[in-house]
Amino acid sequence: DVKVTQSSRYLVKRTGEKVFLECVQDMDHENMFWYRQDPGLGLRLIYFSYDVKMKEKGDIPEGYSVSREKKERFSLILESASTNQTSMYLCASSRGGSNQPQHFGDGTRLSIL
Amino acid sequence: RKEVEQDPGPFNVPEGATVAFNCTYSNSASQSFFWYRQDCRKEPKLLMSVYSSGNEDGRFTAQLNRASQYISLLIRDSKLSDSATYLCVVNSAAGTASKLTFGTGTRLQVTL
Repeated sequence: DVKVTQSSRYLVKRTGEKVFLECVQDMDHENMFWYRQDPGLGLRLIYFSYDVKMKEKGDIPEGYSVSREKKERFSLILESASTNQTSMYLCASSRGGSNQPQHFGDGTRLSIL
Repeated sequence: RKEVEQDPGPFNVPEGATVAFNCTYSNSASQSFFWYRQDCRKEPKLLMSVYSSGNEDGRFTAQLNRASQYISLLIRDSKLSDSATYLCVVNSAAGTASKLTFGTGTRLQVTL
């Protein structure tokens, strides 16, 4: 079974703070993804990575950055948190190739005050 | 036009009923299609892939119509435990990564 683990289920931070969300997968997957999910908007892709040290912008990268120093770990960074970044953040991973399903972590519910 | 469109529902059906969801997608070059299930305040979980010839997994049947660019999910003999949001998901390949586009989901509520 694929296991994708996100470091926190719930997180509360203040405006302007630098926030790190961590994600680890144990299936040696090449691809990793960060999404946010908001009511009525569905899942929106922030960034993804198809290899160590490689990253690609998704649909809504503004205000975020990512880091992939090791194959199993993909970090999402909010450089200076703002209230409109309050959301559910979901990490996913998949095998290499273009037709693979993604497997999700439990999600982190982040509140920015 | 959204890349993937679904009726948000909710679909309220009694136990034992058959229910069908449709989904349309805009990118004719899409290659892979999936249905995911998401329970309230939980992560999406893969329900089934959708193959060109159609496929079945127990009470669930998925169909793909490439000409009309729509995908369907049929649930037979609905159970209370089927209550969830069903996400239609379409591949839009970006380089070597499998980049998926998610619909906003169709909510199903199965009642006694």
